[in-house]
Amino acid sequence: EIVLTQSPGTLSLSPGERATLSCRASQSVDSSYVAWFQQKPGQAPRLLIYAASSRATGIPDRFSGTGSGTDFTLTISRLEPEDFAVYYCQQYGSPLAFGPGTKVDIK
Amino acid sequence: QVQLVQSGAEVKKPGASVKVSCKASGYTFTGYYLHWVRQAPGQGLEWMGWINPDSGGTNYAQKFQGRVTMTRDTSISTAYMELNRLRSDDTAVYYCARDSMDVWGQGTTVTVSS
Repeated sequence: EIVLTQSPGTLSLSPGERATLSCRASQSVDSSYVAWFQQKPGQAPRLLIYAASSRATGIPDRFSGTGSGTDFTLTISRLEPEDFAVYYCQQYGSPLAFGPGTKVDIK
Repeated sequence: QVQLVQSGAEVKKPGASVKVSCKASGYTFTGYYLHWVRQAPGQGLEWMGWINPDSGGTNYAQKFQGRVTMTRDTSISTAYMELNRLRSDDTAVYYCARDSMDVWGQGTTVTVSS
């Protein structure tokens, strides 16, 4: 079973700054099976990135995903006020699993 | 538009069962797997399993095997998740999500309390 860890647990930044979120897998993952989600309080998660680097429909280009093997990164180039949220990585292998999340809050 | 609409909030006693529905619209129901994911208060996302609405085949997370049943009714484009022998730590928001999780239901709050 693949376990995902995310770092940092909380990232305190200001609007306009760059956010770099890390996701590490306990063993190598096919990058086709890595996704990133955003979740705001009281809302369902929202798919941002699939296949490690492909943006989902309607996702702004300030969101980008990279990585391979065991290390994956979500980058938000310039934080907008609406980007402050919790971000989860996910691997779609068997069994499917989510990371514990990174909270991006306002500094 | 493509959407998943879930049933309303439930309050159950320990030991009881709960059945949550997820009605799909705007796409071919049998063309996409459906996942069930839950989130306990203040916690992260936990995958419970998926159902293939076409065949009815299922794949459950090991943690829930023996306690969860996922079914579907293709005539009304609706999937169901039933969780038995409820405990207080099953209190959570339960979501259905389509295949690659590009579409999510609004969530169903299940509260287990004596």
